Amino acid sequence: SQTIHQWPATLVQPVGSPLSLECTVEGTSNPNLYWYRQAAGRGLQLLFYSVGIGQISSEVPQNLSASRPQDRQFILSSKKLLLSDSGFYLCAWSVGQGSMFFGSGTQLSVL
Amino acid sequence: AQSVTQLDSQVPVFEEAPVELRCNYSSSVSVYLFWYVQYPNQGLQLLLKYLSGSTLVESINGFEAEFNKSQTSFHLRKPSVHISDTAEYFCAVSGITGRRALTFGSGTRLQVQP
Repeated sequence: SQTIHQWPATLVQPVGSPLSLECTVEGTSNPNLYWYRQAAGRGLQLLFYSVGIGQISSEVPQNLSASRPQDRQFILSSKKLLLSDSGFYLCAWSVGQGSMFFGSGTQLSVL
Repeated sequence: AQSVTQLDSQVPVFEEAPVELRCNYSSSVSVYLFWYVQYPNQGLQLLLKYLSGSTLVESINGFEAEFNKSQTSFHLRKPSVHISDTAEYFCAVSGITGRRALTFGSGTRLQVQP
């Protein structure tokens, strides 16, 4: 069966520090991969999606970047965090037409 | 492009009462529709989905939703809620062609009271 791993679960970082969140998927090949951000009391905003290795589409201009160095690995990064980067980050995957499956999320607090 | 509107940010309801969480969408193309549930500090879990066929879809825990194309709605219903149904519910849509990413509504907080 397919599983998705996302870590860390919580992260507290000072403003200006770098960020690296990692997501890996098991049990499937060539998945579509996504990073979403959920701000407090709001819905989910799509940040990045990827249809293959090295193929990244950015949905909104921001202080973040994403990379897909392997088929089932998706990384969210920042060189210098801002206060506004705080939020709940969710990685997700899908294959073909159909459902999207989510990781357990990372709660990021930038102080 | 698609958009989703969830009209109610919070829905308080007593245990064993019926509930309806409303969802309307906008799209220039045919769509797939989804409901996800999120428990505190967790990721989202798929509750049910409409891809094609019967417009009434059901989940294993008693929820159902009906796709109404003319009203561009996909409301979620349950005839009798439990305390354990307390969670955030998100409606989502994707086009049947092109980009597969889901567009989400802002969520509805279902609060079941004893």
